[in-house]
Amino acid sequence: QVQLVESGGGLVKPGGSLRLSCAASGFTFSDYYMSWIRQAPGKGLEWVSYISSSGSTIYYADSVKGRFTISRDNAKNSLYLQMNSLRAEDTAVYYCARNFLKRFLDVWGKGTTVTVSS
Amino acid sequence: EIVLTQSPGTLSLSPGERATLSCRASQSVSSSYLAWYQQKPGQAPRLLIYGASSRATGIPDRFSGSGSGTDFTLTISRLEPEDFAVYYCQQYGSSRFGGGTKVEIK
Repeated sequence: QVQLVESGGGLVKPGGSLRLSCAASGFTFSDYYMSWIRQAPGKGLEWVSYISSSGSTIYYADSVKGRFTISRDNAKNSLYLQMNSLRAEDTAVYYCARNFLKRFLDVWGKGTTVTVSS
Repeated sequence: EIVLTQSPGTLSLSPGERATLSCRASQSVSSSYLAWYQQKPGQAPRLLIYGASSRATGIPDRFSGSGSGTDFTLTISRLEPEDFAVYYCQQYGSSRFGGGTKVEIK
């Protein structure tokens, strides 16, 4: 079945780096835009970044621009998020999601938790 | 960036009742860019409605969406026990979803 599985979360100190991965299965990964969305503890949802099917179009929220880099490997059916210069306010559950009609998010992973703390 | 404001923050209702949730945009948005999601505790969100009024695959017809311009509504015609959750609206192009409406059992 259609599935997204995130990994790579953990505890990191402010200023540190982390790389999240998302393994996709059950659909033709290379046909879809993909996204990362995060949710801080007890808070709402923030669309962090998306990448087009070929990787040629990329979006970042202002809050992460210049610090985070999204990428994908269609041969490996995998999506990545490189997070540098991490701050306490980046603490959240990070979800990988598939874009539907580019604009919406119709398949979500279960999320991976990132905690930025000294 | 367009800001989405949801109301009420919490809606206390009984099973079988009708729920009406509001999402107001800070400026006019295209209906084709508006979606609603449901999130239960400890779970990822689930797409309910896209394009303001189209139900996503597998979503029961008790869920309906409407609206245009700056005002959008999600209606649950008769609440089932599994519908008690938090609901978010989302507009493509805005990084922030709406703040959410919690539908709780009265």
